Amino acid sequence: EVQLVESGGGLVQPGGSLRLSCAASGFTSSSYYMYWVRQAPGKGLMWVSRIKNDGSTTIYADSVKGRFTISRDNAKNMLYLQMNSLRVEDTAVYYCASVRPGYWGQGTLVTVSS
Amino acid sequence: QAVVTQEPSLTVSPGGTVTLTCGSSTGVVTSGHYPFWFQQKPGQAPRTLISDANNKYSWTPARFSGSLLGGKAALTLSGAQPEDEAEYYCLLFYSDAAVFGGGTQLTVL
Repeated sequence: EVQLVESGGGLVQPGGSLRLSCAASGFTSSSYYMYWVRQAPGKGLMWVSRIKNDGSTTIYADSVKGRFTISRDNAKNMLYLQMNSLRVEDTAVYYCASVRPGYWGQGTLVTVSS
Repeated sequence: QAVVTQEPSLTVSPGGTVTLTCGSSTGVVTSGHYPFWFQQKPGQAPRTLISDANNKYSWTPARFSGSLLGGKAALTLSGAQPEDEAEYYCLLFYSDAAVFGGGTQLTVL
C-alpha cells in the first residue's frame, strides 16, 4: 500500500521555524520528483516547492523563496521542508505529494500565530 | 509567476456532461505544461485524476477525461454522479514553477 505520511506540523509564533517530514512507503519514491503543496483554511491549493528525484535541483514559489528549504533522504524514503521566518500567512495544511504517480499524503497543519 | 485560471463554479445535472477548463496567463496551454487535474472533497486530501493532459490513473472513473481544447486544458465529466460534487484543481508546470488554478466548485444538482 502506498503511503505518504506527513509530520512536524503545529503551532509556532511569527518569525519561528518548523521542520516538516514526509515518510514515503509502498512505491519507489526515489524515482520521482517530490512536492510540497499547501492549502490555507478555506482556500485553494498552492504549490510550495519541488525537488528532483536525486535531490540535485529545487525550486520554490516566490512567496516562500529564501525562507523554506526542501530536501530529501532517498536512503530513508523521506522528504523534508525546513520553514524559517514563518509568517501568519503561512498558516495552512501542508501536503507532500509525488505528483506524477498520483500520490498524496493526508497533510499536516501548520498554524503561525502569536 | 504565471496565473492559472479556472471557472469558479459550475453546475451539472445528474447524468449530464460538463467541461472544466484551465487557462494560462502566459498564453496557450500545451502538452509542455503537463496539465494535471485533481479532485478534492471537503476534509480530504486531493486525489489525482489526470496527468499530462489526458492520461488517466487506475483509480480514475471512466466518466472523466482530459484534453487540450481551445488553447486550454480541459476536464470533461460525462454522466455526472452525485459523488462527483467536489472542488477540481488543475496544475500547470512552467520552467521554474508549478502553478495551481484557483479551483472549480462543481455542483451536481
